[in-house]
Amino acid sequence: QKEVEQNSGPLSVPEGAIASLNCTYSDRGSQSFFWYRQYSGKSPELIMFIYSNGDKEDGRFTAQLNKASQYVSLLIRDSQPSDSATYLCAVNIRTGGFKTIFGAGTRLFVKA
Amino acid sequence: EAGVAQSPRYKIIEKRQSVAFWCNPISGHATLYWYQQILGQGPKLLIQFQNNGVVDDSQLPKDRFSAERLKGVDSTLKIQPAKLEDSAVYLCASSLGGTRSFDEQFFGPGTRLTVL
Repeated sequence: QKEVEQNSGPLSVPEGAIASLNCTYSDRGSQSFFWYRQYSGKSPELIMFIYSNGDKEDGRFTAQLNKASQYVSLLIRDSQPSDSATYLCAVNIRTGGFKTIFGAGTRLFVKA
Repeated sequence: EAGVAQSPRYKIIEKRQSVAFWCNPISGHATLYWYQQILGQGPKLLIQFQNNGVVDDSQLPKDRFSAERLKGVDSTLKIQPAKLEDSAVYLCASSLGGTRSFDEQFFGPGTRLTVL
């Protein structure tokens, strides 16, 4: 079982719709959870992090965490063509310090 | 604020050759990471430094890969000898470090390595 699993996609949504990206993780001791966006040929950049159960909103983005189900999601409201990218879910697990495990990413395509 | 710097940006070598990558983190960042990202996959942590000490190198193929972070600032990652499967983008990232679990990592532009 992979430590962090994501659907590879591509996920295609029309402009203005809500995009829903999902991620599951295997380590129950995971401490915090991150969503990174990676444009083709570019490096990952952090969108949001969350470490408490529930929702966290930042502009058009909402991260949702359910530790009991070992599930974290990212909602993008009013999707724009510029949101087209790969979205990487990352989990910090405690190993003395902290170690970050990335999922393989979900490709999102927003159609104009 | 200057970002994470990496060089070179691209490198093409033949198998069994050696190669080295350089990274300069954001000033004041104690933690430095080297990731390998193969096409279509997420970044895989190779090694993590806290200042100039190694925190995690469990996924570093130590028979061919080595890394150092002298003086707790710049870092180099070396591959010797390279294999075809080492073709990937090598990403360096840095973060403030410390005990927080939500430590934002800032990534450099990466080095794209092609092994022929």
